[in-house]
Amino acid sequence: GAVVSQHPSWVICKSGTSVKIECRSLDFQATTMFWYRQFPKQSLMLMATSNEGSKATYEQGVEKDKFLINHASLTLSTLTVTSAHPEDSSFYICSARDGRGAYEQYFGPGTRLTVT
Amino acid sequence: GENVEQHPSTLSVQEGDSAVIKCTYSDSASNYFPWYKQELGKRPQLIIDIRSNVGEKKDQRIAVTLNKTAKHFSLHITETQPEDSAVYFCAAKGNYGQNFVFGPGTRLSVLP
Repeated sequence: GAVVSQHPSWVICKSGTSVKIECRSLDFQATTMFWYRQFPKQSLMLMATSNEGSKATYEQGVEKDKFLINHASLTLSTLTVTSAHPEDSSFYICSARDGRGAYEQYFGPGTRLTVT
Repeated sequence: GENVEQHPSTLSVQEGDSAVIKCTYSDSASNYFPWYKQELGKRPQLIIDIRSNVGEKKDQRIAVTLNKTAKHFSLHITETQPEDSAVYFCAAKGNYGQNFVFGPGTRLSVLP
C-alpha cells in the first residue's frame, strides 16, 4: 500500500518552455501533497504544500507564478514549471499524506528536469 | 521555524558494525520524527519513525531513540550490510503543521 507515482521520470526541455509534472497516489486518497526540490547531494527542500480543492501554500522564496501547483482531486497533484530556465534544472519529488490522520509522507520516484 | 541538524554528514563503517546518526531539532513542539533512506537516483523510503510520546522504537536491525528534553533523536543500525549504503535523512514535523523539515542527510557507506 501507500504507492505514489510521478510522471514523467525525466524530461529535457528548452529554455522558455513550460513543463508539467504529475503526482498520483495510487492506492489511497491524499488530502495533502507536497512538492520538494532536491539538488545533487543535498537535502529535500519543500517548495509548497497543496491541499485538495484549495490553493497551494508556498514556502518562502518559491515563486508561485513560476511553479504552478494544482491539486484538483484526492489522487492527483500537478506541478507546472513555467518559462523554465537552466537554473530550474533539478530533481523534483512529490510526496503524499494519507488523509486518515497519519503523519507519514510517501514519496514519488521523482522527476529529473533538465532545461537546455 | 523548525531547524534540523544532522551529524555526521558522511559515515563509513565495516560490514557487521553498528552505525549511529544523530539529529537535533529546534522546535520543542515538534511531535513526529521520521527517518528516510534514499539510494542514488531513487525516492526516499520511510524506514522508521517515532512520535513524541515514545522514547524508543525498534524494527529488526533499526532503532530510533528520542530525547525530548535535549531535542535530539538518533538512528541506530546494527549488523550493517552493504545494502544499507545510502543517504539517510531525518525529519521533524511540528505539532500544528503538516510539513516536514529535513536534515541535510548522512551518506552511509558500509564497507565489505
